[in-house]
Amino acid sequence: GAVVSQHPSRVICKSGTSVKIECRSLDFQATTMFWYRQFPKQSLMLMATSNEGSKATYEQGVEKDKFLINHASLTLSTLTVTSAHPEDSSFYICSASALAGGGADTQYFGPGTRLTVL
Amino acid sequence: QKEVEQDPGPLSVPEGAIVSLNCTYSNSAFQYFMWYRQYSRKGPELLMYTYSSGNKEDGRFTAQVDKSSKYISLFIRDSQPSDSATYLCAMSDMNRDDKIIFGKGTRLHILP
Repeated sequence: GAVVSQHPSRVICKSGTSVKIECRSLDFQATTMFWYRQFPKQSLMLMATSNEGSKATYEQGVEKDKFLINHASLTLSTLTVTSAHPEDSSFYICSASALAGGGADTQYFGPGTRLTVL
Repeated sequence: QKEVEQDPGPLSVPEGAIVSLNCTYSNSAFQYFMWYRQYSRKGPELLMYTYSSGNKEDGRFTAQVDKSSKYISLFIRDSQPSDSATYLCAMSDMNRDDKIIFGKGTRLHILP
């Protein structure tokens, strides 16, 4: 199956700093990438959808100026958490699809990044 | 009412038993129903994908969808310790650009 990687797998940072998380599709071109956030014992919640070369579409309640998404190539999307605070501590997971729109059965998930903000 | 409800468990069953996991939902527009398996500190892995009502079988896994009751199930036969994981139900509606709505997940422990 298709492989999606994330880097780093775990990051600890101080409050007020910015953190960048990378999501890469290793063996296919990802037209669409999705960023999710998962708090302990909670559902995965979609944060934003990005298509290569265009601006990301953010879900209601997600601050686009705080969570910067760049999908500059067909194999790489980055999520930057700016001025991170302890409440941003969560498990961030990306998924990628070769199709525009990315139907549920075409999305492949990355292994996730555990962010801890002190 | 949340769109998707799923008992978080944990659910502990002995090895070899049949496991039944289920979710209820409120949005009748959902047409695609998925089950994901998520191991600790890993991303979810798609197990089963079904469209509309009915059953789908894949090896030891059977997914059932009852749209009239807004209820979906995942059955695992001959459960094994390696099946221990969190199982997330999820669903989507094509009219919402395939946005996936996840349940909270049920933690499953298969006891050797």
